[in-house]
Amino acid sequence: SQTIHQWPATLVQPVGSPLSLECTVEGTSNPNLYWYRQAAGRGLQLLFYSVGIGQISSEVPQNLSASRPQDRQFILSSKKLLLSDSGFYLCAWEARRKNIQYFGAGTRLSVL
Amino acid sequence: QQQVKQSPQSLIVQKGGISIINCAYENTAFDYFPWYQQFPGKGPALLIAIRPDVSEKKEGRFTISFNKSAKQFSLHIMDSQPGDSATYFCAASTVSGRALTFGSGTRLQVQP
Repeated sequence: SQTIHQWPATLVQPVGSPLSLECTVEGTSNPNLYWYRQAAGRGLQLLFYSVGIGQISSEVPQNLSASRPQDRQFILSSKKLLLSDSGFYLCAWEARRKNIQYFGAGTRLSVL
Repeated sequence: QQQVKQSPQSLIVQKGGISIINCAYENTAFDYFPWYQQFPGKGPALLIAIRPDVSEKKEGRFTISFNKSAKQFSLHIMDSQPGDSATYFCAASTVSGRALTFGSGTRLQVQP
C-alpha cells in the first residue's frame, strides 16, 4: 500500500533562518507531488506541484522554493523565513490521472 | 480569483440532524468534484467525489448533490454525529488538469 511521510511534525524557527521540509512517498512510482499551506482556520493554498524529477511549478511567488531530487521525494525550502511563512504545510501525492490526492500529516511551522 | 466558493464558513448541527455545505464553481472545464474531511492537526482525507455525469452520489450517510447548470454542488451529512465534527473542503479539477482547486473550508461542529 502507498504511504506518505512528512517531517518534522512541528517546527519553531526564528525569522531569517533557513527551512527544509521533506516529504517522501512509498508504494507508488512517478506520482504527482504537491505542497500546500494552510493558514489557521483557512483553506488550502497550493504552493508547488511537480510531475517529475526536477520539474517544479510554482503557484504563488514567495520566498519559498521546492525541489524534487528523486521520484518520490519532495522538499520545501527557504533561505530566510518570514513571519508570514507560519502555517500548516501539507504534502500530497496523486497517482497519474487519478485525481485523488492523498495528504501527509502535515508540518506546523511557527516563525517567531 | 477564487474559483470555488464554499459556504458556510462554520456550521453547528445537533446530533442526528442534517449538515449541508454548499460550493459553487466558475470554471466550466471542471469535471471532478471531491470533498475532503480534515480533523484538527491532520491532513485532509478524501471523503466522497462526483463527476458531472450524475446528479447525486451517496456513500453511507454522505451524499453529494450536483447541479451542472447552476455550477453548484453540495455535501449532505445525514444523521450527523459528534465524530463528524471536522473541517470539510470541497474541491474541483479537470481530469486532465494538474491540481485541485479547494474551497475555503467549512468547520462543522456536531453537538451531542
